[in-house]
Amino acid sequence: EAGVTQSPTHLIKTRGQQATLRCSPISGHTSVYWYQQALGLGLQFLLWYDEGEERNRGNFPPRFSGRQFPNYSSELNVNALELEDSALYLCASSLDRRAGGAYEQYFGPGTRLTVT
Amino acid sequence: GENVEQHPSTLSVQEGDSAVIKCTYSDSASNYFPWYKQELGKRPQLIIDIRSNVGEKKDQRIAVTLNKTAKHFSLHITETQPEDSAVYFCAANSDYGGSQGNLIFGKGTKLSVKP
Repeated sequence: EAGVTQSPTHLIKTRGQQATLRCSPISGHTSVYWYQQALGLGLQFLLWYDEGEERNRGNFPPRFSGRQFPNYSSELNVNALELEDSALYLCASSLDRRAGGAYEQYFGPGTRLTVT
Repeated sequence: GENVEQHPSTLSVQEGDSAVIKCTYSDSASNYFPWYKQELGKRPQLIIDIRSNVGEKKDQRIAVTLNKTAKHFSLHITETQPEDSAVYFCAANSDYGGSQGNLIFGKGTKLSVKP
């Protein structure tokens, strides 16, 4: 079974530009989560999508947004990039929590975003 | 919202010794507590988890305990090996408006196992 995949592996942008990151969940998983891991810091929750809808978002400004497509893949968009947005962006997927409370989340390899 | 505190931030042990990492959480509604291991340059890997209806869970050399009353849970690694060296993260699910899907993570513990 293929795991969670993310693209691109690395992304270099300049301040003020927009970045688009992509995630494909494990087959059968309907929930997708985005986390930011800045250097030396833990995993900060960004966004949670389930069945095409945004279920929850973390303490991040509105320029962080995303969507989930009918095939459950997801996209994270970061507008007006700032230097402090440089981080590893991790995507995770899980089964629908309503299907028996299956909360296990499995992570993709991440996209390393560098803002110069 | 949920807040997870993790201690210690760094832990160094001799090969063969035990390692214990502790976490506390704030939201009494949290009911799922996973632990992830992240090796340098790799994705976090789920190594063990526990739900609030269980007090302890073991899987070979690793075990997790949960004290719901005190709102803390711990990871225990016995007979540590150099390949256990990594950053370990604890997490708790967040009850936000009835949703219990996303996880809130501790800041991580860097475990070093010296041969």
